Amino acid sequence: GAGVSQTPSNKVTEKGKYVELRCDPISGHTALYWYRQSLGQGPEFLIYFQGTGAADDSGLPNDRFFAVRPEGSVSTLKIQRTERGDSAVYLCASSPGPDNEQFFGPGTRLTVL
Amino acid sequence: GQNIDQPTEMTATEGAIVQINCTYQTSGFNGLFWYQQHAGEAPTFLSYNVLDGLEEKGRFSSFLSRSKGYSYLLLKELQMKDSASYLCAPLDSNYQLIWGAGTKLIIKP
Repeated sequence: GAGVSQTPSNKVTEKGKYVELRCDPISGHTALYWYRQSLGQGPEFLIYFQGTGAADDSGLPNDRFFAVRPEGSVSTLKIQRTERGDSAVYLCASSPGPDNEQFFGPGTRLTVL
Repeated sequence: GQNIDQPTEMTATEGAIVQINCTYQTSGFNGLFWYQQHAGEAPTFLSYNVLDGLEEKGRFSSFLSRSKGYSYLLLKELQMKDSASYLCAPLDSNYQLIWGAGTKLIIKP
């Protein structure tokens, strides 16, 4: 594809609900990253996939957060029992490898009411 | 611990030159990236330095000193569209980007 795409662009949900955020990386990129970003802050690392496996999930804040990449391409970030503090822009990035530049998607703005 | 230090905000005049400094401490080092982020948009890649010295790319240049844990981004011939946040992000020993809060650059006519 032309670039990294993310859906939805905006998601408003109620506290306690479950949400799924999708990331479609650049074709052929084996590395995929999830970040979240709050206003005025840099991206906060959540999880890194190399192929289908989570190479580093140390950034996931707690067990309500989970991400998958079953076929080594599209990835889904899943958040259970959402809390107001989860409100942020969730960014996905992909790269050909871990020491290459990361290409970012436009992000999903999640608002938990 | 891992730490990035950049000025929170800088102001410069259209047509001028500005230097954004970054000092970092990381567990291992595999190069340093600079990204630009316009308000409400995703970060976009500007430069990557892995060896000491200056890398020039058009109006933008980036410098690295590994021994000092220091980098800077130099922007020349500033344009209004350069108003954005600039994020310094070193790559640690696990090949993870370590992000600071970035420097918000305001360009005035």
